[in-house]
Amino acid sequence: QVQLVQSGAEVKKPGASVRVSCKASGYTFSSYSLCWIRQAPGGGLEWMGWITPYNGNTNYAQNLQGRVTLTTDTSTSTGYMELRGLRFDDTAIYYCARGGGSGYRYWGQGTLVTVSS
Amino acid sequence: EIVLTQSPDTLSLSPGESATLSCRASQSLSSSFLAWYQQKPGQAPRLIIYGASSRVTGIPDRFSGSASGTDFTLTISRLEPEDFALYYCQQYGMSPRTFGRGTRVEIK
Repeated sequence: QVQLVQSGAEVKKPGASVRVSCKASGYTFSSYSLCWIRQAPGGGLEWMGWITPYNGNTNYAQNLQGRVTLTTDTSTSTGYMELRGLRFDDTAIYYCARGGGSGYRYWGQGTLVTVSS
Repeated sequence: EIVLTQSPDTLSLSPGESATLSCRASQSLSSSFLAWYQQKPGQAPRLIIYGASSRVTGIPDRFSGSASGTDFTLTISRLEPEDFALYYCQQYGMSPRTFGRGTRVEIK
C-alpha cells in the first residue's frame, strides 16, 4: 500500500533552516509529483510547491520563493523540503502528499516545525 | 492565482440532516481539477472527492460533489457522527495550487 512517512518534529530558532524528509513506498516514486503543504496552528492549508522526481522540475508558491527548496533522492524514494530563514510564522505542520491528476490521495503524517527563540 | 472562496465558515447541523458546502473559484477552472478534503483534529487531510464529482474509493455515497461554472458544491446527505469535521476545497489544475479556507461542519 502507498505510504508516505515523514521525519520527526523539529524546533528551530528564528533565522535557522529546517529540512523535512518524506519517504515514499508502495508505488513507483518517479511516476508522481511530490507536493508539500503546510498548516499553521489553527489555520488552513497552504500549498507550498511540488517537485517531479523523474526530472527534478519544481514549482513553488510565490510567497516562499527564495526560501524553500524541494529535492528528491530517487535511489531512496525520499523527498525533502528545506525552508531557510525561519520566522515565527513558519511554525506549522508540514505535510508531503503524492500528486497526480486525481487530487492528493496520499499524505504523510505531518511534521511539526516550531520556530521559537 | 485562483482564489477559492468557501462558504459558510461554519455549518451547525444535527446528525441525519444534510450539509451543503460551497466553493467558488475566482476564475474559470476545469472541473477536472477540483477536489474536496475532510480533516479531523490531529489528522492529515483525507481526499474525498476529485474531479469535482468523483468519489474516492471507500468514501460513502452520502458524499457527493457537483459543479456549475465557477461554483462547486459538496453535499453530505444524512450526516453521520463521523462526518463532523473541517472540509477544504482545492484546485490542482493551475499553479499555484490553492485551497479554500475551509468550512467547519459542527454538531448543533
